[in-house]
Amino acid sequence: AQKVTQAQTEISVVEKEDVTLDCVYETRDTTYYLFWYKQPPSGELVFLIRRNSFDEQNEISGRYSWNFQKSTSSFNFTITASQVVDSAVYFCALSEESTGANNLFFGTGTRLTVIP
Amino acid sequence: NAGVMQNPRHLVRRRGQEARLRCSPMKGHSHVYWYRQLPEEGLKFMVYLQKENIIDESGMPKERFSAEFPKEGPSILRIQQVVRGDSAAYFCASSPPSGQAGGIYGYTFGSGTRLTVV
Repeated sequence: AQKVTQAQTEISVVEKEDVTLDCVYETRDTTYYLFWYKQPPSGELVFLIRRNSFDEQNEISGRYSWNFQKSTSSFNFTITASQVVDSAVYFCALSEESTGANNLFFGTGTRLTVIP
Repeated sequence: NAGVMQNPRHLVRRRGQEARLRCSPMKGHSHVYWYRQLPEEGLKFMVYLQKENIIDESGMPKERFSAEFPKEGPSILRIQQVVRGDSAAYFCASSPPSGQAGGIYGYTFGSGTRLTVV
């Protein structure tokens, strides 16, 4: 069973639009960690955020915000006023305490294209 | 303070050859993790190593793949007799020892090695 589901394979938005990337996860652990990574066309992985399962506070960092909802097992990511530089593949990932919290389960990614 | 260094950045091998991918962890990091990203897919965990020890190899293919992290030098992911299906990006991550700053708290990824098998 897929532990992390990113149902949106590709999204295109026009510059300055807001966009939300969905992430739904599945775990039986009470202690777990959720991540978002950005993979620009150059291919490297850029860490964006890590949250643990006990911290449901939403977070905002500049134009980025994250909405963690344990009730729906979702950790969605919103980019406000999108820019062309936001074009990338975005991955959501999960780490579980029961496996030692040493490895990450990645979703299949959402490719975001921001059109100028 | 150099990050996680992977080399080569790009590697081309003919079918049947061996591929050796290197990963030098960040200074102070003693744990290394290898992931594989097949085209148009997410990353999949392969193996977790500490110095001279394989801790978790649950994601490693049973044949042709091996990994090591010697006492001195970089971690090596070795693929013998490569096939077209091995073409992928291979990412390495490192972290400090487990604890508040360790494990997934201290995860840092390298830039990856893109292996192409022709």
